[in-house]
Amino acid sequence: DAGVTQSPTHLIKTRGQQVTLRCSPKSGHDTVSWYQQALGQGPQFIFQYYEEEERQRGNFPDRFSGHQFPNYSSELNVNALLLGDSALYLCASSRQGAWNSPLHFGNGTRLTVT
Amino acid sequence: AQKVTQAQTEISVVEKEDVTLDCVYETRDTTYYLFWYKQPPSGELVFLIRRNSFDEQNEISGRYSWNFQKSTSSFNFTITASQVVDSAVYFCALFDILTGGGNKLTFGTGTQLKVEL
Repeated sequence: DAGVTQSPTHLIKTRGQQVTLRCSPKSGHDTVSWYQQALGQGPQFIFQYYEEEERQRGNFPDRFSGHQFPNYSSELNVNALLLGDSALYLCASSRQGAWNSPLHFGNGTRLTVT
Repeated sequence: AQKVTQAQTEISVVEKEDVTLDCVYETRDTTYYLFWYKQPPSGELVFLIRRNSFDEQNEISGRYSWNFQKSTSSFNFTITASQVVDSAVYFCALFDILTGGGNKLTFGTGTQLKVEL
């Protein structure tokens, strides 16, 4: 039973560029959320997707956008990259309604902006 | 607003010692859940334990145990007889109904645990 998978593992981009990160949820899960984890910090909630719609959003600018596909997989897009966007981006999945169940996280994508 | 504080930045112990990781939380909600996650160098967050706000009974699960005290808003986590494989960053996290959504966890800044031989 595959868990949450993310791609790519590492990514290096230049300021001003755009990036797309991908996530496949754990089998049986239909809800995907994204977190940003800066070095030495705890993960911060970016947004959550369910039924192909953004359901909830944290304190992140509109440069951060996402998408969920019919197979429940998801993409995180970041436009006009800033140096401060360098972080580990974690995807987590769960089943809608099972709100008190623990999230399942992927290994993350390490984004470096130069 | 909800907040999680992990005052211990880094802890070093010798293998087989017991170690307690501290967590203090803030929330205005009366219904909430607290979690502990482990993050090894691979980056994946691994779920360890969960507690809801209505159950203050402290439990033991293998080498893990936790002490939940609503009166002091603390949710401390203890590893008994630590092992080198326990070396990782440990995060305490809070989910409450007020902020809505089952996927919006508020994390602390983490405690780096190093277990040495």
